[in-house]
Amino acid sequence: TQLLEQSPQFLSIQEGENLTVYCNSSSVFSSLQWYRQEPGEGPVLLVTVVTGGEVKKLKRLTFQFGDARKDSSLHITAAQPGDTGLYLCAGGSNDYKLSFGAGTTVTVRA
Amino acid sequence: GAVVSQHPSWVICKSGTSVKIECRSLDFQATTMFWYRQFPKQSLMLMATSNEGSKATYEQGVEKDKFLINHASLTLSTLTVTSAHPEDSSFYICSASRAIEQYFGPGTRLTVT
Repeated sequence: TQLLEQSPQFLSIQEGENLTVYCNSSSVFSSLQWYRQEPGEGPVLLVTVVTGGEVKKLKRLTFQFGDARKDSSLHITAAQPGDTGLYLCAGGSNDYKLSFGAGTTVTVRA
Repeated sequence: GAVVSQHPSWVICKSGTSVKIECRSLDFQATTMFWYRQFPKQSLMLMATSNEGSKATYEQGVEKDKFLINHASLTLSTLTVTSAHPEDSSFYICSASRAIEQYFGPGTRLTVT
């Protein structure tokens, strides 16, 4: 059973459009991490958020951690084909283990 | 910084043989490393937590005698799949922990024939 629910499962958009991926849970996490994974490779860490209500921006990517530390979102502005990949959210616990969501496959068409 | 390597990147072995996969943190020391398994089109499933100098902690349903983990130093953990069978074929990924963050290796594709 996934502790973290990600939505949507698949997302296909045109280059230049915006997109948002959601990550929701009934559990409280000490941290929330977002990763991007390409086929045949390991996940690459994009960001870590630890404070409820925290917002972090990395160029065209904006990450938000919910006030109650149970949910998070990833927003990409003006998506590019290079943003294509599997986006995974992962909730951290006090024993440093991560619980992963099922992932969102994002395809940005040129 | 925070680079993790895995070796080999892919391996094909015959049923009944054993395969060892290495995970190294190249530019930092990791007291804790994790081993995951990933099936096609699915997310990562945690198999075990590897702690330097102590026995690994396995997740429920993971056979510790089949998946042997050794964490001999702060930069190296190994996973040995013993008596491999076709159902063990999968993508195995390790991660190394630095503070609250995990940095992942590139993965090892295991195919058992």
